[in-house]
Amino acid sequence: NAGVTQTPKFRVLKTGQSMTLLCAQDMNHEYMYWYRQDPGMGLRLIHYSVGEGTTAKGEVPDGYNVSRLKKQNFLLGLESAAPSQTSVYFCASSYSGRRGELFFGEGSRLTVL
Amino acid sequence: QQQVKQSPQSLIVQKGGISIINCAYENTAFDYFPWYQQFPGKGPALLIAIRPDVSEKKEGRFTISFNKSAKQFSLHIMDSQPGDSATYFCAASPNTGGFKTIFGAGTRLFVKA
Repeated sequence: NAGVTQTPKFRVLKTGQSMTLLCAQDMNHEYMYWYRQDPGMGLRLIHYSVGEGTTAKGEVPDGYNVSRLKKQNFLLGLESAAPSQTSVYFCASSYSGRRGELFFGEGSRLTVL
Repeated sequence: QQQVKQSPQSLIVQKGGISIINCAYENTAFDYFPWYQQFPGKGPALLIAIRPDVSEKKEGRFTISFNKSAKQFSLHIMDSQPGDSATYFCAASPNTGGFKTIFGAGTRLFVKA
């Protein structure tokens, strides 16, 4: 039982490059989320999804896009990376009946030079 | 605008002592208040949570105290152990508005042996 799996775990990009972070969960959870974690700022919600085919903006959505074509996967895309997007990204999922109980992946550390 | 304010930023406690972390919120739509524990290199994991219809919840050495009128809640770790050294996040989840869980900035706890 893997829970929430994120790939890749580490990535270095140059300014302007694009990339996609993949999140996969095997718990059949309806809700999925992408957060970024920066020192002194806690976890900030980027985008989230309440079901297959749906997405919505969180607190800091600018510069990111997401897609949820399958229930178990939630993709986070950066079309043109900027140094301000250097961060640790966490994917999480939750069951609809216990939406505040989030299950997190181990994170993806992204550095944009 | 930080919807959930957490203090202190860092905390050093002797082994066997009590660790106390405080959080305050503004949005009265929040109805679920979890605490997450994060070890270095790992994703946050749910530690304990409370709903506003109770003033206290205890699980082992961990207790949440909740003051609805003051819109404050706190985490108490009794008999703190070196293995409790981690970053702790308070959070709040609303009953409306897309199920966004908002996190505090985090508290780095170090328990001295």
